[in-house]
Amino acid sequence: GAVVSQHPSRVICKSGTSVKIECRSLDFQATTMFWYRQFPKKSLMLMATSNEGSKATYEQGVEKDKFLINHASLTLSTLTVTSAHPEDSSFYICSVRSGASGNTIYFGEGSWLTVV
Amino acid sequence: AQSVTQLDSHVSVSEGTPVLLRCNYSSSYSPSLFWYVQHPNKGLQLLLKYTSAATLVKGINGFEAEFKKSETSFHLTKPSAHMSDAAEYFCVVSEARNFNKFYFGSGTKLNVKP
Repeated sequence: GAVVSQHPSRVICKSGTSVKIECRSLDFQATTMFWYRQFPKKSLMLMATSNEGSKATYEQGVEKDKFLINHASLTLSTLTVTSAHPEDSSFYICSVRSGASGNTIYFGEGSWLTVV
Repeated sequence: AQSVTQLDSHVSVSEGTPVLLRCNYSSSYSPSLFWYVQHPNKGLQLLLKYTSAATLVKGINGFEAEFKKSETSFHLTKPSAHMSDAAEYFCVVSEARNFNKFYFGSGTKLNVKP
């Protein structure tokens, strides 16, 4: 399967600051990446679909100006949480879509964000 | 519309006994079906997938799943549970008409008792 690197794995930031999470596809070029948020003991909630070279498609209820997504290259998508608040503390996971072996998504290791 | 139902939120088995995690789906189009495993504080790892080839799919770590169209099911099984299998398992469905849509089940937490 594909190798997806997500960084940082854990980050603590102060309220009001911004933090960036990177998602890299290490062994193939990904035109589509996805960002999820996972609350404790819950399933994944899709936040947005990141498309290389174009604007991300956000799910209903997700603030575009708060969760900035950039997919500037075929191997890198970034999620920036702007003006972070404690309620933004969560586990964020990215995935990449591969069509090579039957439309499959592969996940990063996730990033724990704690806003203090 | 697509939907995925994982019938059990928690399953508890003893080490060495069989595992059955149930998943039912609804799909109007040819579905692709996946099982992922998530260990605590980790991302999701692909266990196996069905994409219209053989209906019995073998995955990693001894897991397998059978696609049953008549029952709209894709249950995950393993003959003998190991302590390291304790984790959260997600059933995921996508359909041929929209490659960017993946539908997640609510997850099943597998507990393995010594």
